[in-house]
Order: sequence, then structure tokens, then C-alpha cells
Amino acid sequence: GNSVTQMEGPVTLSEEAFLTINCTYTATGYPSLFWYVQYPGEGLQLLLKATKADDKGSNKGFEATYRKETTSFHLEKGSVQVSDSAVYFCALYSGAGSYQLTFGKGTKLSVIP
Amino acid sequence: NAGVMQNPRHLVRRRGQEARLRCSPMKGHSHVYWYRQLPEEGLKFMVYLQKENIIDESGMPKERFSAEFPKEGPSILRIQQVVRGDSAAYFCASSPRVSGRGGETQYFGPGTRLLVL
Repeated sequence: GNSVTQMEGPVTLSEEAFLTINCTYTATGYPSLFWYVQYPGEGLQLLLKATKADDKGSNKGFEATYRKETTSFHLEKGSVQVSDSAVYFCALYSGAGSYQLTFGKGTKLSVIP
Repeated sequence: NAGVMQNPRHLVRRRGQEARLRCSPMKGHSHVYWYRQLPEEGLKFMVYLQKENIIDESGMPKERFSAEFPKEGPSILRIQQVVRGDSAAYFCASSPRVSGRGGETQYFGPGTRLLVL
């Protein structure tokens, strides 16, 4: 079946530090990959996505590249801000008769001034 | 364009009562998905509906849980005879369509946080 594995948190960084959150996946077929962000007490917001190998999704300074050879979709940001503090979820959508998103457990990021 | 709407945002029920959670998809979206998030966990798929049809309910518990998406009005997730283990955040998402490969992006509502006393 499908699965997503994220690095465990929490992750604490100083402002302007470099961020990497690892995400690897197992899927049937050729999935689309997503990063969602959840701020405290809120729902999930789509951060970025990629639908085929070597695609790079980017938004708000965050980037992730779809690596089929390593089945990975690591999230990166060059300089984090306090406002980036949230929980980040990696997810996949495999289609092919399955309409659900499969999520990782989430990685909590805290950015301190 | 309003996003996905869910109500109530918070719901408190005593064991044995019924919980009704509502979801209005984004305008133009005809596909609705329900997910459950337990504390410190990721989201788990429950059910996928189109208007008047349940397409995939593989993630729904076999008893006490039901969902509908009528021709008119919001989608409803109903939990009968709630137990403490039902306490969680329930998220609804919608999409305009489901493509064959690659999928279609799902947009999430703010969630309903259910607490069972």
C-alpha cells in the first residue's frame, strides 16, 4: 500500500537558519506529491506540489523536488522566519482508483528569534 | 471565492450522543473528502463523496459513522453514540474533479474539533 515517512520532530531553528524536512514515500503507480502546512488551531493549507519526476514545487520561499529514483520529496527553505512555525505534512496522491491523500505524521517546526 | 467551510468549529458531546459535522465545499467543487486527525498524528482518510454518491468509504469505521452529500446542501459526517475515542479533529476537503493520473489538489477546511466527555 501507499505510505509516507517524514522525519520526526520537533525541529527547532533560529531565525534565518536553513530548513530541511525529509520525506520519503512508497506508492503504487506514479503519485503526485504535496506539502501542506498547518498553523496552530487551523486547517491544512497547500504549500506546494509536484506531479511528475524532477518537478520542483515552490511557494513562499519553500521548495521541494520530486525525486523518483530516491522516492523522496524533501522540503527546504533557505532562511526561515518565526512566522514559519507550524506543522508540515508531506502527502501523496496515487490516483489509479484511489482518491485519498496519504499523509505523513507531520513535522512540527518552531523558529525562535 | 470562499474556501471550504466547516461547522461547527468546536463540538462537545457526552458519550452516547450524536455528532453532526457539516462541510460546504468550495464553489464549483463537486468532490468532498473527510479526514480524521488524532492528536499528534497525521490525517487519515475516511470517505470520498460526490453529489448523492459515496465513492470510497474504505476509511470509515464499520459502525456508528456515516456520511452523505445530498443534491442540495452541505456534506454531513454523522457519528452516532459517540465514545471518547472519537475525540479528534475532523477535516473536510474538496476538489473540482479527479484526474486520472496525478490527481487533483484537495483544499481543506478549518476542521471541526470534537471532544467527547
